[in-house]
Amino acid sequence: QKEVEQDPGPLSVPEGAIVSLNCTYSNSAFQYFMWYRQYSRKGPELLMYTYSSGNKEDGRFTAQVDKSSKYISLFIRDSQPSDSATYLCAISPGGSQGNLIFGKGTKLSVKP
Amino acid sequence: DTGVSQDPRHKITKRGQNVTFRCDPISEHNRLYWYRQTLGQGPEFLTYFQNEAQLEKSRLLSDRFSAERPKGSFSTLEIQRTEQGDSAMYLCASSRGQGNSPLHFGNGTRLTVT
Repeated sequence: QKEVEQDPGPLSVPEGAIVSLNCTYSNSAFQYFMWYRQYSRKGPELLMYTYSSGNKEDGRFTAQVDKSSKYISLFIRDSQPSDSATYLCAISPGGSQGNLIFGKGTKLSVKP
Repeated sequence: DTGVSQDPRHKITKRGQNVTFRCDPISEHNRLYWYRQTLGQGPEFLTYFQNEAQLEKSRLLSDRFSAERPKGSFSTLEIQRTEQGDSAMYLCASSRGQGNSPLHFGNGTRLTVT
């Protein structure tokens, strides 16, 4: 079993839809959870960063962590064509945070 | 904050040649990381530096790979005797190194080995 599992998609939604992106992880010791957005031919860009279980909201984005289920989610409200990108979950065991473990990424397309 | 800068953006080389990439981190960041990303995959950790000290290396970093950060500022990643399997995007990231500060990535160097 991989340490972080993420459905690669692709996922296609109409503009204005609510998007749900998910990852599962295997090690209950993981402490820090991040979502990155990556546009084609660009580096990953940090979207959300959470530590505890629960929800964290930033504009149209909500990150959710359920440590008991080892499940993390990113919700995008009122999706826009500019949200079309690959979304990567990343998990850190904690401590140095040197070794971020990434999911494969989910490719999202928002159609106007 | 000018962001993490990587050079070159693209590199095409023949198998067996050596290549070197450069990364300039965000100026006040003392941690610098190298990751590798292949098509359809997430980035994979290679190594990281705290100032000039290389603190962690992945088993992915074979002996053909070497990274340096001589003055604790920019870093170089060298690949010797390149192989076709080295073709990938090489990403550099930096962070403040305080607690669990998030990583900020550059736009990568895309390597193609022919």
